[in-house]
Amino acid sequence: ETGVTQTPRHLVMGMTNKKSLKCEQHLGHNAMYWYKQSAKKPLELMFVYNFKEQTENNSVPSRFSPECPNSSHLFLHLHTLQPEDSALYLCASSQGASHTDTQYFGPGTRLTVL
Amino acid sequence: GQNIDQPTEMTATEGAIVQINCTYQTSGFNGLFWYQQHAGEAPTFLSYNVLDGLEEKGRFSSFLSRSKGYSYLLLKELQMKDSASYLCAVMDSNYQLIWGAGTKLIIKP
Repeated sequence: ETGVTQTPRHLVMGMTNKKSLKCEQHLGHNAMYWYKQSAKKPLELMFVYNFKEQTENNSVPSRFSPECPNSSHLFLHLHTLQPEDSALYLCASSQGASHTDTQYFGPGTRLTVL
Repeated sequence: GQNIDQPTEMTATEGAIVQINCTYQTSGFNGLFWYQQHAGEAPTFLSYNVLDGLEEKGRFSSFLSRSKGYSYLLLKELQMKDSASYLCAVMDSNYQLIWGAGTKLIIKP
């Protein structure tokens, strides 16, 4: 059983919909990450939170909005997405603020935008 | 620019040995990670190398040469369950993880 869970596992949405992805980590970690994984492309880091504070936003379009209410939960709010946003969205966590800490991934949400 | 190169796909036979190479050009170096990702599942941590040399962990070993910007993941006694993608990632001087696109390993009986 992975220490990082994500819901939903699969999501299909239209371009005008609003939805949210949820991530929860049960590892006592303090840093959480959102990644986008497209077929045959490297993982793309989207957002990083350390101790609930956003520390990185890698030029992600505003149609993606993260939220970190506490160090165990991370959300990604989605609105007016485009078909090219279809991908696997992975959440990860690591022990502390040091980026050399090993990241542990959730199973991902497979998102399809119609 | 920063770049991680690894083969797109490799095929090997059950019981054999396979070596997956990774070369990198990054601004600084703070370690190299290997992850395994089965189709539809989360990437799982395999190894972390920050010093030159070979690190052995059961059937899996990881090698690093910082001077050559090169690493490999060696898988011995291949099993069907080793069919997966293997992701190489390098941490640069800003502690950013730079990811390769992954190598899909296909194991045949």
